Amino acid sequence: GQQLNQSPQSMFIQEGEDVSMNCTSSSIFNTWLWYKQDPGEGPVLLIALYKAGELTSNGRLTAQFGITRKDSFLNISASIPSDVGIYFCAGADRGSTLGRLYFGRGTQLTVWP
Amino acid sequence: DVKVTQSSRYLVKRTGEKVFLECVQDMDHENMFWYRQDPGLGLRLIYFSYDVKMKEKGDIPEGYSVSREKKERFSLILESASTNQTSMYLCASRSDPIGAFFGQGTRLTVV
Repeated sequence: GQQLNQSPQSMFIQEGEDVSMNCTSSSIFNTWLWYKQDPGEGPVLLIALYKAGELTSNGRLTAQFGITRKDSFLNISASIPSDVGIYFCAGADRGSTLGRLYFGRGTQLTVWP
Repeated sequence: DVKVTQSSRYLVKRTGEKVFLECVQDMDHENMFWYRQDPGLGLRLIYFSYDVKMKEKGDIPEGYSVSREKKERFSLILESASTNQTSMYLCASRSDPIGAFFGQGTRLTVV
């Protein structure tokens, strides 16, 4: 299957700091997605991106669809303790892989008060 | 709101048992997926379905089978449970091009 490289694997930051994480693919995607998973729960969709170069915000979260269509970035500004969790990127190649999503391995975020 | 419901949050089964994990979605999505999640390994796709009665193997299908007799329901079957199938199982559904919506997960322990 297609490989998504997500980095960093983990982050330990102080409350109030900004966070950046990214995801790269060996293949072109035409949809990029970012999810957050709280402990013991299923992942929840945060942001969806559908066009190369697109920049989309959801509150303190901002994500970008890379212009090469092989990467995406997620930024969290002014982190708070409830940002703790695992963040996953996912990509989809619309129409050619029967709706399948490909996931990165996740970034574990820890926020110290 | 989209709802994906998994039949159990926690399950404990014995080695060799046949195990059924059920998933129901209420948004008429074409695609449904089963993943397992283990620490450090991310989400690994077991099987997915793009239509009723249609299924495709994911990356780790060995030891599992699936059934999709109705559009809203996707079942994962462990034919003979083994201890290495102890894991968190996540069901998801989607309609291209939107993102997938996940259930709350089933934590399966095989003893």
